[in-house]
Amino acid sequence: ELKVEQNPLFLSMQEGKNYTIYCNYSTTSDRLYWYRQDPGKSLESLFVLLSNGAVKQEGRLMASLDTKARLSTLHITAAVHDLSATYFCAVNSGNTPLVFGKGTRLSVIA
Amino acid sequence: EAGVAQSPRYKIIEKRQSVAFWCNPISGHATLYWYQQILGQGPKLLIQFQNNGVVDDSQLPKDRFSAERLKGVDSTLKIQPAKLEDSAVYLCASSLDLGRPAQYFGPGTRLLVL
Repeated sequence: ELKVEQNPLFLSMQEGKNYTIYCNYSTTSDRLYWYRQDPGKSLESLFVLLSNGAVKQEGRLMASLDTKARLSTLHITAAVHDLSATYFCAVNSGNTPLVFGKGTRLSVIA
Repeated sequence: EAGVAQSPRYKIIEKRQSVAFWCNPISGHATLYWYQQILGQGPKLLIQFQNNGVVDDSQLPKDRFSAERLKGVDSTLKIQPAKLEDSAVYLCASSLDLGRPAQYFGPGTRLLVL
């Protein structure tokens, strides 16, 4: 059974600081996704990572994938308040259902 | 391009009552998903359709939950009878096809069972 673990589950960080969110998964998978969810809103797709060593960047967020370690990271650079949200990673293989982690609730404070 | 539409946005019912949710996916998307998201957790897949056929319903509590997508477009998810633990956000998502995994999520229906 595929399991996805994120850490930390809660993160409070100061504006301007850097931090990394980690996503581990238990079995071989060929796609990893990062989503953002604002309170009371739906999920917004951030990144899809398809191969070992894949790195994608959008603004202050950068995601990477190490399939050998079954690990993805979401790195936040010089955090700003607008990045406050819950971030989910999700994994699947082929046509199997997406399995989500519990999410990391990020709060960026001044 | 219009996104995934869901209604209602909010619903409050008493336990043992019935409730139904509606989803209209992005036009042309063959694959439709229903997820349950309990507060503080990630979404959990309940059922997946490819056109009007069920691909995966292994996590759907079939004694009380049912879903259909009769014409391969809109879908409804029903709970009958509802339990307290069904309180959650029900998210509908769609993707172009099984081989195109990028999923687009609707705004969700927030259900509270009292």
